[in-house]
Amino acid sequence: QQQVKQSPQSLIVQKGGISIINCAYENTAFDYFPWYQQFPGKGPALLIAIRPDVSEKKEGRFTISFNKSAKQFSLHIMDSQPGDSATYFCAAGANAGKSTFGDGTTLTVKP
Amino acid sequence: ETGVTQSPTHLIKTRGQQVTLRCSSQSGHNTVSWYQQALGQGPQFIFQYYREEENGRGNFPPRFSGLQFPNYSSELNVNALELDDSALYLCASSSILAGAGANVLTFGAGSRLTVL
Repeated sequence: QQQVKQSPQSLIVQKGGISIINCAYENTAFDYFPWYQQFPGKGPALLIAIRPDVSEKKEGRFTISFNKSAKQFSLHIMDSQPGDSATYFCAAGANAGKSTFGDGTTLTVKP
Repeated sequence: ETGVTQSPTHLIKTRGQQVTLRCSSQSGHNTVSWYQQALGQGPQFIFQYYREEENGRGNFPPRFSGLQFPNYSSELNVNALELDDSALYLCASSSILAGAGANVLTFGAGSRLTVL
């Protein structure tokens, strides 16, 4: 069964700190790796995504690091803010519409 | 530009009943994917519809079925409801471009189904 394993399950960070969430995948056919942010009562919203031809992508305070040989990728949130408190999901797939999601990381940023 | 809208937002059914969930895709999107999100878990891919036909399916039984209409809206139907079907059902729309797969999923807020 295709799986995406995400860790940690929960994360507490002080305001201004760096939040790091990791994911590992198994299927080498996957070529689209997005991260989603989900607030209570809302659907997931795309945060940032990467394809395996690059090792890093940065958008504002959010960076994806991608290690194709290790089949791992991670999300780094710099200067974490209380408004970043949410559940974060990594995903992987042949395209966005058919993605396999991790089980999520609940991030709490303390003021 | 409107986003993805889903209805109903909440519903309660009993075991063995049937349910239909509806989704209006974002303007300009031609593809709809449905996901099941159990409490405390990540979304699981049910199926995708493109050009009114199923375009890929996850590990869900045939009692989960769908439709896509010419205006790209979609329905998810679940027959013979089981207790484990209780979950948030998410619809997501996207565009399949020629020569490329679907990109940039836009999710709705979901339909919360409780099966008693």
